[in-house]
Amino acid sequence: DVKVTQSSRYLVKRTGEKVFLECVQDMDHENMFWYRQDPGLGLRLIYFSYDVKMKEKGDIPEGYSVSREKKERFSLILESASTNQTSMYLCASSFGGVRATEAFFGQGTRLTVV
Amino acid sequence: GNSVTQMEGPVTLSEEAFLTINCTYTATGYPSLFWYVQYPGEGLQLLLKATKADDKGSNKGFEATYRKETTSFHLEKGSVQVSDSAVYFCALSDRNDYKLSFGAGTTVTVRA
Repeated sequence: DVKVTQSSRYLVKRTGEKVFLECVQDMDHENMFWYRQDPGLGLRLIYFSYDVKMKEKGDIPEGYSVSREKKERFSLILESASTNQTSMYLCASSFGGVRATEAFFGQGTRLTVV
Repeated sequence: GNSVTQMEGPVTLSEEAFLTINCTYTATGYPSLFWYVQYPGEGLQLLLKATKADDKGSNKGFEATYRKETTSFHLEKGSVQVSDSAVYFCALSDRNDYKLSFGAGTTVTVRA
């Protein structure tokens, strides 16, 4: 079974803190993604990566950065957390190349910024 | 670009009722289509998929048929259970694009 594991289920951070959300996948997938999910807004793509050290902005990259130093790990960084970044964060991975394949999701991290 | 439109919720049903969630899509290429389910407090799980026109995906009593002529992928279940209460997302993946395009999600509540 494909496993995508996010480092925390719940996180509470203070405004202004630097926050790291970690995601690891064990299926040798090329693509990895970070989404945030908010009531009434569905899933919005923050960043994605199609290879090690490669990244592209999604729909809402402002206030976030990412790091992919190894194929299996994709980190989302909130440089200076703000209350409007309180949300559910979902990591996903998929095969790359020309295949139009499904993505596999982690269990989510519910982040609260106070 | 690619986009997915699914019927808005919330949808509330009684146990053993018939469920349909409509999904239509716009895509520039030849997409694969998916339904994901999200149970409360969890991440998304793949429910079923179809990779070409007229394919039928099925799982756990749910079905959806890839209709290219109507650009649709409607989700159906003949007899829902309380345990089917969840948020359902329609999505597509195009070989010309790395990422999935998701619909807004439909919240389904099944009452005993």
